[in-house]
Amino acid sequence: DAGITQSPRHKVTETGTPVTLRCHQTENHRYMYWYRQDPGHGLRLIHYSYGVKDTDKGEVSDGYSVSRSKTEDFLLTLESATSSQTSVYFCAIGGSSGREFADTQYFGPGTRLTVL
Amino acid sequence: SQQGEEDPQALSIQEGENATMNCSYKTSINNLQWYRQNSGRGLVHLILIRSNEREKHSGRLRVTLDTSKKSSSLLITASRAADTASYFCATVSGGSQGNLIFGKGTKLSVKP
Repeated sequence: DAGITQSPRHKVTETGTPVTLRCHQTENHRYMYWYRQDPGHGLRLIHYSYGVKDTDKGEVSDGYSVSRSKTEDFLLTLESATSSQTSVYFCAIGGSSGREFADTQYFGPGTRLTVL
Repeated sequence: SQQGEEDPQALSIQEGENATMNCSYKTSINNLQWYRQNSGRGLVHLILIRSNEREKHSGRLRVTLDTSKKSSSLLITASRAADTASYFCATVSGGSQGNLIFGKGTKLSVKP
């Protein structure tokens, strides 16, 4: 998995609680991404980062926030989890230092989140 | 918004046969990529083809790109049971910071 870990791997939480998912990379890639994967929708981009403290929204960013204080860590926070956020969340990295943007992305193993 | 759409949604073949999956997209692209996902795992990059390329090979994989038809195909030759997985196309559009837009995938089942 190209030096990418996600934690936790599984989480069950209740509606209204905050949840933070962590993505950690050891590859020194510039770009980091958070996706969600749902049946019938494929993968959809939530947020991405193109450098430390540089983040931007993706297609389905409502209800999510992110932070990147170090090159190696990208956090995804659900401020107040809802049942519609039950999904499998994937982190990805791409773009070695100096590239204009990431061509190929490398994915973590995923986090299965259930919101009751 | 979905950019790539794979066809078929599911494909079942015997070991040794070839598997062909198609992807259509809507807007102009910088490149198109194919990824594989084994059940319960993350996606793995297979191959990238740029908008000025028409065909690319990698081992048993052959990818074609027709920008006039906005379509791509992935051919897996001499399939093996280990090729059983979901396959996704993803496109990168110009000015998108390289963000990938994924299709919904083709589920390939290769029977031994």
